[in-house]
Amino acid sequence: GQNIDQPTEMTATEGAIVQINCTYQTSGFNGLFWYQQHAGEAPTFLSYNVLDGLEEKGRFSSFLSRSKGYSYLLLKELQMKDSASYLCAVMDSNYQLIWGAGTKLIIKP
Amino acid sequence: DAGITQSPRYKITETGRQVTLMCHQTWSHSYMFWYRQDLGHGLRLIYYSAAADITDKGEVPDGYVVSRSKTENFPLTLESATRSQTSVYFCASSEEESGGNTIYFGEGSWLTVV
Repeated sequence: GQNIDQPTEMTATEGAIVQINCTYQTSGFNGLFWYQQHAGEAPTFLSYNVLDGLEEKGRFSSFLSRSKGYSYLLLKELQMKDSASYLCAVMDSNYQLIWGAGTKLIIKP
Repeated sequence: DAGITQSPRYKITETGRQVTLMCHQTWSHSYMFWYRQDLGHGLRLIYYSAAADITDKGEVPDGYVVSRSKTENFPLTLESATRSQTSVYFCASSEEESGGNTIYFGEGSWLTVV
């Protein structure tokens, strides 16, 4: 079957760096997405990786290794507003998005 | 820029009742999706549509019906609501199916079946 694994919850300190991992096993691969979801709100797009390597966007970076079925989202200079759930999703060979259950990130002052 | 809107945002209904959740997008995106989100699960696809009058089942379609007579609207109907359908429902849209095209989500509809 198809599977996306992410940690359920992580805690970090304001100003620090945190890495959220995502491993996947899917039927084919057409890209990996990261979304941010604040409590009670809709998911919003953060990043897309289809080739191996690191994509940087301001304080957020996303890394992909297709051979390892692995990605991570790196958040730098953490702010209280970064407290949210982070969703990893993989697009399979049928262009269907398979979603992880999300990682709840708690930021402490 | 209205984007994608859902209604109602919050609904309480009784078991056995029919409920329709509305979704409207102003971008003329080809693809539209309905997901449900439950604690401990990732977003699960209920139905999707590639264009007007074209719909297809997702991962969890049982108990739901969709239609897409116009590109901009994609209503989701629960024919006879059950308690297991208590969930948050998200409508979403994207320009194309191919990889890299961002999916945009509506604000969500919180449905409670009692």
